[in-house]
Amino acid sequence: NAGVMQNPRHLVRRRGQEARLRCSPMKGHSHVYWYRQLPEEGLKFMVYLQKENIIDESGMPKERFSAEFPKEGPSILRIQQVVRGDSAAYFCASSPLLSTSGTAEQYFGPGTRLTVT
Amino acid sequence: GQNIDQPTEMTATEGAIVQINCTYQTSGFNGLFWYQQHAGEAPTFLSYNVLDGLEEKGRFSSFLSRSKGYSYLLLKELQMKDSASYLCAVRDRYGGATNKLIFGTGTLLAVQP
Repeated sequence: NAGVMQNPRHLVRRRGQEARLRCSPMKGHSHVYWYRQLPEEGLKFMVYLQKENIIDESGMPKERFSAEFPKEGPSILRIQQVVRGDSAAYFCASSPLLSTSGTAEQYFGPGTRLTVT
Repeated sequence: GQNIDQPTEMTATEGAIVQINCTYQTSGFNGLFWYQQHAGEAPTFLSYNVLDGLEEKGRFSSFLSRSKGYSYLLLKELQMKDSASYLCAVRDRYGGATNKLIFGTGTLLAVQP
């Protein structure tokens, strides 16, 4: 049973380019979460998605960042016109359907390390 | 506001016991998690508390006091491989969906021979 998969594992972009990060959730999981970890900082929640729906994007920067989780295929975190401050590790987590209390375990992928030069 | 505090670094000796504390103030609460993260790797789940008290899982135990906004992770019989960051995270509430995790900055534990 494969875990959460992310690719690429490492991504280098020049300032102004676009970065696309992909996340394939665990089999049977329909909820995806994106977190960002800046150097020397903790994981920060960015966005929570279900298939074809954004549930909570309260942690997403207002500009340049977008996320989707289409009916078919992986979830994509897209960063347009990257700047040096976007350099970080981006982790994806997935969970199964939420329980009646609205909770479920999250399993993390290995992360994508984005470096902006 | 949302605030989770834990010590930045700790050092302990192989074979010993170490306790990593976490205090939190969050607008909502639906459980507290501890994750282990080795450098350059994904966080891996260690424990979960939603009710007050102690949860034991092999060499790892976690305690929660909701009234005090306090948790600790206890690691026994320390091994060198336990050297890692330990992340405290609170599950927040958002409307009808209660699965957003708020993380502390992590405690970097160094286990020495």
